[in-house]
Amino acid sequence: IAGITQAPTSQILAAGRRMTLRCTQDMRHNAMYWYRQDLGLGLRLIHYSNTAGTTGKGEVPDGYSVSRANTDDFPLTLASAVPSQTSVYFCATSPEEGVVGELFFGEGSRLTVL
Amino acid sequence: AQSVSQHNHHVILSEAASLELGCNYSYGGTVNLFWYVQYPGQHLQLLLKYFSGDPLVKGIKGFEAEFIKSKFSFNLRKPSVQWSDTAEYFCAVKPNQAGTALIFGKGTTLSVSS
Repeated sequence: IAGITQAPTSQILAAGRRMTLRCTQDMRHNAMYWYRQDLGLGLRLIHYSNTAGTTGKGEVPDGYSVSRANTDDFPLTLASAVPSQTSVYFCATSPEEGVVGELFFGEGSRLTVL
Repeated sequence: AQSVSQHNHHVILSEAASLELGCNYSYGGTVNLFWYVQYPGQHLQLLLKYFSGDPLVKGIKGFEAEFIKSKFSFNLRKPSVQWSDTAEYFCAVKPNQAGTALIFGKGTTLSVSS
C-alpha cells in the first residue's frame, strides 16, 4: 500500500541523547516536510526538502537537522535532545514543490524527552 | 510574515447543530487554501481545498468552505454535525509562490455530544 511510513511510532528518550526519526515514502513525491505538533500551537514546520539533495529551514529548525540523499527518505535528527522537543512529529510529502501545497501526512512519531 | 488565525480554540456542539469554524489569513497575494481534519489518535487528512474558481468548495463528509477574498477568510461549515465529527480541524494556507511552505493555523477542537 502506497504511503508514508514513520518510525518509531513512539519513543521515550533521555535528555542529551541523539535520536533520528525516520520517514520513508513510496509515492515518489518530490517535496517532503517535517512538522511538530504541540497543544495550542498547531503544526509548525521544522525543515523541508523540495527535491532530493536539497533541504531548507522552516519555522522552528533549531536543534534539528535533516538530510535528503534520495527521493524516498527524509530522516530528522535531534543531535542532543532536550525536554522542549517533546512533541508529536509528522512527516509529510507533496507531489511537487511550488504553488499547489496539498500535503499527505504520515501517522506521526510521539517523542518524549525526559 | 504570513499567518493563519483560527478564531475558535474549542467548540462544543450537540449532534445536528450547525457548525462554522472561522479562518483568516494574512497574505496579500494569491493563495491556495485547505482544511485538514485530525481524528483522535490519527494523522491529518485533507477535508477540502480551494485553488481557484467557485469560492464555495465542497469536501468530504458534508463539509464545505467559502473563500471570501475581500475578508481574507476561508470559513468551514457543516449544516448538521455528527458525533463522528469530533476531531481537531486545521486551516492551512499556501501562498501561490514558489519557495513558500504551507502555513497552519493553531487548530480548533470540535467536540460533538450525542
